[in-house]
Amino acid sequence: NAGVTQTPKFQVLKTGQSMTLQCAQDMNHNSMYWYRQDPGMGLRLIYYSASEGTTDKGEVPNGYNVSRLNKREFSLRLESAAPSQTSVYFCASSERGFEGETQYFGPGTRLLVL
Amino acid sequence: GEDVEQSLFLSVREGDSSVINCTYTDSSSTYLYWYKQEPGAGLQLLTYIFSNMDMKQDQRLTVLLNKKDKHLSLRIADTQTGDSAIYFCAESFRGSTLGRLYFGRGTQLTVWP
Repeated sequence: NAGVTQTPKFQVLKTGQSMTLQCAQDMNHNSMYWYRQDPGMGLRLIYYSASEGTTDKGEVPNGYNVSRLNKREFSLRLESAAPSQTSVYFCASSERGFEGETQYFGPGTRLLVL
Repeated sequence: GEDVEQSLFLSVREGDSSVINCTYTDSSSTYLYWYKQEPGAGLQLLTYIFSNMDMKQDQRLTVLLNKKDKHLSLRIADTQTGDSAIYFCAESFRGSTLGRLYFGRGTQLTVWP
């Protein structure tokens, strides 16, 4: 039982390049989330998915797209990377998305955009 | 109201108690959480408290909630070097989307021997 896994762990991109961050969970959770963490800041929600086939915008969705490929996987795509997207990206999941539930976090992807 | 404020740094000696403080602005918070982030890792839920509670204790951890002052604290008894990490306060609201969490900026706890 690996919990929440993310790939890659590190990535360096040039401005304008695209990439997809992958996330998978093996806990049979319905809800999944993408956050970004900037230095000295708390986590901010980019997108979330209540269940397979549904996605919704969070606090900072501009410049990103997501796909809930199936119940296990939730990917985040940067179509044209910008230096402002340099950050650490965390994926999380929870069983049903209810308040008070534990959100389980992956180890993060560290992205540098030059 | 989604503002959650924390002091950025705390330094304590091993064996002492640590108290990490958090203030929030929205009185409609329903759950308040403490997460721990170790270097290079994701966040791990330490504990949470429902807004109608004043205190919750779990082994070395004690959470105190003062609703009048909108103040939350996390006390770690007998702090160890392994407790060195960033601690995030977070809140969620009744009816919020998917139990969405709003995080503070985190408090870096350093424990020195």
